[in-house]
Amino acid sequence: DGGITQSPKYLFRKEGQNVTLSCEQNLNHDAMYWYRQDPGQGLRLIYYSQIVNDFQKGDIAEGYSVSREKKESFPLTVTSAQKNPTAFYLCASTGPGGNYGYTFGSGTRLTVV
Amino acid sequence: SQQGEEDPQALSIQEGENATMNCSYKTSINNLQWYRQNSGRGLVHLILIRSNEREKHSGRLRVTLDTSKKSSSLLITASRAADTASYFCATDGVGSEKLVFGKGTKLTVNP
Repeated sequence: DGGITQSPKYLFRKEGQNVTLSCEQNLNHDAMYWYRQDPGQGLRLIYYSQIVNDFQKGDIAEGYSVSREKKESFPLTVTSAQKNPTAFYLCASTGPGGNYGYTFGSGTRLTVV
Repeated sequence: SQQGEEDPQALSIQEGENATMNCSYKTSINNLQWYRQNSGRGLVHLILIRSNEREKHSGRLRVTLDTSKKSSSLLITASRAADTASYFCATDGVGSEKLVFGKGTKLTVNP
């Protein structure tokens, strides 16, 4: 079955650590997205990529970095510069043309300890 | 920036009743989409309505779009306890490469 796989489901980060969240899709989608969800805040866009080896900052990119070396993969690194990283992180992808819904992964819950 | 704003923020109904959620947005759109999110899970795409469409149905879901008022509504008929979730609208703005989500409506359907 096609879909998006996010791992791990839960992640704990110590102060000053960088951590990487994995997002893999087998839907042959070109576009991929990372969103952050905080309680009562809805979804906010961190980074997105329309094509391999290219990505753009979203609304809250500071303290995060991404890469897009393969079509299937769009990992997100939460760096030590992100001062409040505790949140639920969602990865999504979509097909071409702008008239398709997004397919979401099941999310990674990141907690700072 | 959040384009879509859902109303109400929370809604509690009895099983069998209809649930209506509204979404308002600010700029011109290519399409508007509705998603469902069960607690602690990813979002699931429900329905997409294009800017030149006024109404769309999918099973027990009915979506309307009024571009003159920049608003949309999602109606769930004959609700079930399994419909309990948060519902989000998202807009694909003209000239934009990304969806912008609202803060969601939390729906509780009591058995």
